[in-house]
Amino acid sequence: SAVISQKPSRDICQRGTSLTIQCQVDSQVTMMFWYRQQPGQSLTLIATANQGSEATYESGFVIDKFPISRPNLTFSTLTVSNMSPEDSSIYLCSVGAQGPGANEQFFGPGTRLTVL
Amino acid sequence: LAKTTQPISMDSYEGQEVNITCSHNNIATNDYITWYQQFPSQGPRFIIQGYKTKVTNEVASLFIPADRKSSTLSLPRVSLSDTAVYYCLVGHNNAGNMLTFGGGTRLMVKP
Repeated sequence: SAVISQKPSRDICQRGTSLTIQCQVDSQVTMMFWYRQQPGQSLTLIATANQGSEATYESGFVIDKFPISRPNLTFSTLTVSNMSPEDSSIYLCSVGAQGPGANEQFFGPGTRLTVL
Repeated sequence: LAKTTQPISMDSYEGQEVNITCSHNNIATNDYITWYQQFPSQGPRFIIQGYKTKVTNEVASLFIPADRKSSTLSLPRVSLSDTAVYYCLVGHNNAGNMLTFGGGTRLMVKP
């Protein structure tokens, strides 16, 4: 397993501003992911954070709105840019288990974002 | 792509066994079945994974019939602290469907 921390745990922001969320893992991992979970809803994958290259975004998510950094194998950031109230959500990072046949993910505690 | 279907919600009482079934008719040969549990204000937590037949760990059992088109998560003797949302995912290699969360099943355990 992996221990994952996120900062901040929550924030309240004004529309039009940007927030950068940090995700730190206690071990080197190949695969890191960013999800969004809107109130009362399931999780939606935003992108896969690739170390040393640009993130891979899912349909409906673009780099200009959600720029992602992955400078090394233990750290990633997600920025929510030019925020609107519709961006109010919980943002979660996860890492994929390592090793052959590994299919599970380990999730951070999430960052609860409220945009006014 | 393998899509999963689960009941939206279930109610149970403390001490009962709870069985949550997930349908995945289009499961591929190399897909695994993985279940996660999510408590309010927390990220999902991996609880069990299987490929076929039965898998058991300290938390739950997973029953998978021979055709693998469905699976059943069994929680023995639930307590109030098992109240959570349970998600079934089907896929492999931490890609594609393995990263796609469906609606989940909201389990409410009552005293």
